[in-house]
Amino acid sequence: EVVLTQSPGTLSLSPGERATLSCTTSYSVDSSYIGWYQQKPGQAPRLLIYGASRRATGIPDRFSGSGSGTDFTLTISRLEPEDSAVFYCQKYSSSVFIFGPGTRVDIK
Amino acid sequence: EVQLVQSGAEVRKPGESVKISCEASGYDFSNYWIGWVRQMAGKGLEWMAIIYPGDSEARYSPSFEGQVTISADKSINTAYLQWSSLKASDTAMYYCAAFINSGYGNFDYWGQGTLVTVSS
Repeated sequence: EVVLTQSPGTLSLSPGERATLSCTTSYSVDSSYIGWYQQKPGQAPRLLIYGASRRATGIPDRFSGSGSGTDFTLTISRLEPEDSAVFYCQKYSSSVFIFGPGTRVDIK
Repeated sequence: EVQLVQSGAEVRKPGESVKISCEASGYDFSNYWIGWVRQMAGKGLEWMAIIYPGDSEARYSPSFEGQVTISADKSINTAYLQWSSLKASDTAMYYCAAFINSGYGNFDYWGQGTLVTVSS
């Protein structure tokens, strides 16, 4: 079963800075099934990116996804205060949906 | 507008049963997979099970198979998750989620969550 690892565990940045979040899979996977979610405290998760690089409906273009094989990246080009959240990557493979442990992004 | 509206919080004792629901609207419920995700307090997301309401085909995470039952009633556009004998460790927030516009594999619509508390 594939394992997802996310790094860093926590990221502390200022508004306007660029955030780069990493998701690594334990073996090479089809990027079609890689997604990224944002979860703010007390809220349900929200899909940001699906298929590794496609923005979900209504997601601002400062969020972008990339990667292939075992290494995937979520980039937030210009952080805004409301981007403070936990970000999860997720993979579908062999009838199983796996979430990574999450990266917390704090805005200074 | 797609909406997934979950039932309210539940409080049960260990050994009791509970069934939580997720009512869908704004799309063709029968033809899109819908599933459940657990989140324990302060922890990450764990996929539990998924079902295709059109024919009730269900798939379970190995971690949850035998522990919960997923079902759906397409006549009322509602998915369910039930436990027959709760444990304290089942205390968590449970989300229903569906993939509709994002293709198979990533959940683009989520319910608001149902908190299940199991305590003696």
